[in-house]
Amino acid sequence: EVQLLESGGGLVQPGGSLRLSCAASGFTFSSYAMNWVRQAPGKGLEWVSDIDGSGGSTHYADSVMGRFTISRDNSKNTLYLEMNSLRAEDTAVYYCVKRRVGYGAFDAWGQGTMVTVSS
Amino acid sequence: EIVLTQSPATLSLSPGERATLSCRASQSVSSHLAWYQQKPGQAPRLLIYDASNRATGIPVRFSGSGSGTDFTLTISSLEPEDFAVYYCQQRSNWPITFGQGTRLEIK
Repeated sequence: EVQLLESGGGLVQPGGSLRLSCAASGFTFSSYAMNWVRQAPGKGLEWVSDIDGSGGSTHYADSVMGRFTISRDNSKNTLYLEMNSLRAEDTAVYYCVKRRVGYGAFDAWGQGTMVTVSS
Repeated sequence: EIVLTQSPATLSLSPGERATLSCRASQSVSSHLAWYQQKPGQAPRLLIYDASNRATGIPVRFSGSGSGTDFTLTISSLEPEDFAVYYCQQRSNWPITFGQGTRLEIK
């Protein structure tokens, strides 16, 4: 069974930093691209970032480009999201998501971790 | 950026009725479109991938159709557990984008 367990969320002041982690199990982690998707309170889904299986290719939403960094450690089956220069509009539940191969849909989601940016 | 527009924003139906949800893309996404269901307090769940393929464990009452710019999610006969928010999503081009969602509520 695929399991994705996020951690690292919490309350941070505007301009601060936070690192999210996602521990993966139940599949060959290095074979799949992984993503972060977020959802602000009461709002829809917003894609944040994608990283391929090797970690050599990444993509970002314009809203986080230059502030967030996605990475992975395939030896630890763990995905990361380093978030810097946080803004109030980054407040959201952040989901760790596994992407199917090719033009893949998101076929497994974690339970999410809440990030609140507020003074 | 490819914009996905879902309609209607809210759909009010009764159990047993047929639901038809629409997703229109601002440019062609070929068949690279997926549908998700989200219930309150839960993570989204993949229903349909590549426009018309049911994900593992998804009941046959859920079906997807379309290609290019116009897509439809159909629920043939609504069960009480189907009332939720539904999102479409494309991965044809970067950035990946989602529609704004359709809320399916009990009439």
